[in-house]
Amino acid sequence: EIVLTQSPATLSLSPGERATLSCRASQSVSNYLAWYQQKPGQAPRLLIYDASNRATGIPARFSGSGSGTDFSLTISSLEPEDFAVYYCHQRRNWPPGSFGQGTKLEIK
Amino acid sequence: EVQLLESGGGLVQPGGSLRLSCTASGFTFSRYAMSWVRQAPGKGLEWVSATSGSGDSTYYADSVKGRFTISRDNSKNTLNLQMNSLRAEDTAVYYCATENYYDSSGLLQHWGQGTLVTVSS
Repeated sequence: EIVLTQSPATLSLSPGERATLSCRASQSVSNYLAWYQQKPGQAPRLLIYDASNRATGIPARFSGSGSGTDFSLTISSLEPEDFAVYYCHQRRNWPPGSFGQGTKLEIK
Repeated sequence: EVQLLESGGGLVQPGGSLRLSCTASGFTFSRYAMSWVRQAPGKGLEWVSATSGSGDSTYYADSVKGRFTISRDNSKNTLNLQMNSLRAEDTAVYYCATENYYDSSGLLQHWGQGTLVTVSS
């Protein structure tokens, strides 16, 4: 079983600031890591796949990096609509893969 | 535009059964694997089951193996999840999601809005 640990659990920032979210895997997942955004009452939305590829329609302020066990999602300048919960997801051992527990990005 | 609409959720007693459906539009349904992912109230995401584009290959999380059955009807662009022997811990919003390839690989691209399943007496 591959465990993904996200940090921090909650991140408090202001619009316009830079956000960096972390996801660490208990063993290498190569680059098979994705990031999802979920707003209250909504379905998750794919942001980044295979560690660094933006999904269709995702703004350029979202970027992903990392490989192996350490990954990050960076939002270069926060917009009001970016405050949400973010999940990382690995598919190295698909199925079943695994999700991180989530990072809540809240307005400071 | 890809659209996924789940239905069939509701309140069911422990030990009971429920059948979820997901109706797809906006893409060639038979070309893509599909998954079900669930989210317990206030909790994170948990993958449940997946099937290949043809439906010939199916996969299950250990937590539902032997109780849930995934199927698809490509003539009706519909994905199903038959849930038997339901437990309180199955209470969750159930999402269907498209994958990126014909064979299931775990890249969950588009998601429906979900349907709530509540298992309680």
